[in-house]
Amino acid sequence: AQTVTQSQPEMSVQEAETVTLSCTYDTSESDYYLFWYKQPPSRQMILVIRQEAYKQQNATENRFSVNFQKAAKSFSLKISDSQLGDAAMYFCAYRSGDSSYKLIFGSGTRLLVRP
Amino acid sequence: DTAVSQTPKYLVTQMGNDKSIKCEQNLGHDTMYWYKQDSKKFLKIMFSYNNKELIINETVPNRFSPKSPDKAHLNLHINSLELGDSAVYFCASSQLDTPGTEAFFGQGTRLTVV
Repeated sequence: AQTVTQSQPEMSVQEAETVTLSCTYDTSESDYYLFWYKQPPSRQMILVIRQEAYKQQNATENRFSVNFQKAAKSFSLKISDSQLGDAAMYFCAYRSGDSSYKLIFGSGTRLLVRP
Repeated sequence: DTAVSQTPKYLVTQMGNDKSIKCEQNLGHDTMYWYKQDSKKFLKIMFSYNNKELIINETVPNRFSPKSPDKAHLNLHINSLELGDSAVYFCASSQLDTPGTEAFFGQGTRLTVV
């Protein structure tokens, strides 16, 4: 069975600085997708960024980028120029390439942004 | 327009009661899900329906019964509520034949059993 591990329960970053959130996963599959979701205090789950395992190029969305290391099964999220609105829970999620579309989530990292 | 909407947003009820949570999506997706987020923020899938057919049932007590009247709706009925059922329940939807797309989530329903 696939597992997703986020080893940092909480991280803190100064506004305008850069922070990296870690995520590792375990799978025997070669076809899968990885996601980072943000959950602010409003509870809404918001997609931050996605990565297809077959793509070698790391995904980037504005200030958010990933470091995808397939061999190491690592999928970290880098947030540049951190803003107060980035404060939230961040969840790493894995989805198999099969037809189930079941998302397997990590335990989450709470990101605090210091003004 | 809200893409995935759940009602109610908050639900407080006594042990032993039966309650339902409703979910509707207007994205035209063919697959809908229920996830449970516990007090430690851990998210786990409960059920998934594709075109009204159950495709995922993850070791959930049979007090929980999902119902999908059509592919735009997936409701969750819970019988004989227990204290341990207190959690946030999220509905989500996606399109199964476009695997790279993300799941869209509702705002969650915070269920408190007293």
